[in-house]
Amino acid sequence: DADVTQTPRNRITKTGKRIMLECSQTKGHDRMYWYRQDPGLGLRLIYYSFDVKDINKGEISDGYSVSRQAQAKFSLSLESAIPNQTALYFCATSESDGYTFGSGTRLTVV
Amino acid sequence: GQQVMQIPQYQHVQEGEDFTTYCNSSTTLSNIQWYKQRPGGHPVFLIQLVKSGEVKKQKRLTFQFGEAKKNSSLHITATQTTDVGTYFCAGGDGGSNYKLTFGKGTLLTVNP
Repeated sequence: DADVTQTPRNRITKTGKRIMLECSQTKGHDRMYWYRQDPGLGLRLIYYSFDVKDINKGEISDGYSVSRQAQAKFSLSLESAIPNQTALYFCATSESDGYTFGSGTRLTVV
Repeated sequence: GQQVMQIPQYQHVQEGEDFTTYCNSSTTLSNIQWYKQRPGGHPVFLIQLVKSGEVKKQKRLTFQFGEAKKNSSLHITATQTTDVGTYFCAGGDGGSNYKLTFGKGTLLTVNP
């Protein structure tokens, strides 16, 4: 099993719909992150959490919300999806060294 | 906020040629990390540099961290087709060591 699992892998949704992307990890790390990747723009931080009671906004949090349900679970929600939220979304965890990324969720908003 | 600039955006080389990507930060970094993302894949951690002037090697890959801890480079000697992918640097600021700011990446393609 993968250390960081993201579901779904692919999703197409309509404008205005609420959608949740899920992330779970088996590494036992406290720190978890959500990034989005767009061609030519690299990885941009949406939200991060350093433990279950700690949630912080990243550089592009508008239009997104998160929930840290447990140490192992960190979900990202789009309350009302819009087309410019079409992107590849990555969840990651870390401890004292590099990040471990999930395989990503490719989200298309039509 | 902290900005991490990475150049070049793209690099195409013939197999066997060398390759270098450069990373520059607007602020002093506490550490810098490098990642590789294969086409269709996810970023994979390569290495972390922490000390001023640090140099680390992994086989054909050489990583450097500048004396001022504001720049870094990744050099690949004698590229192979397996080196294809996007290489990202990511800098940690002094206040939030585990919140990284990523550069936009350098896409390396290798012609066999």
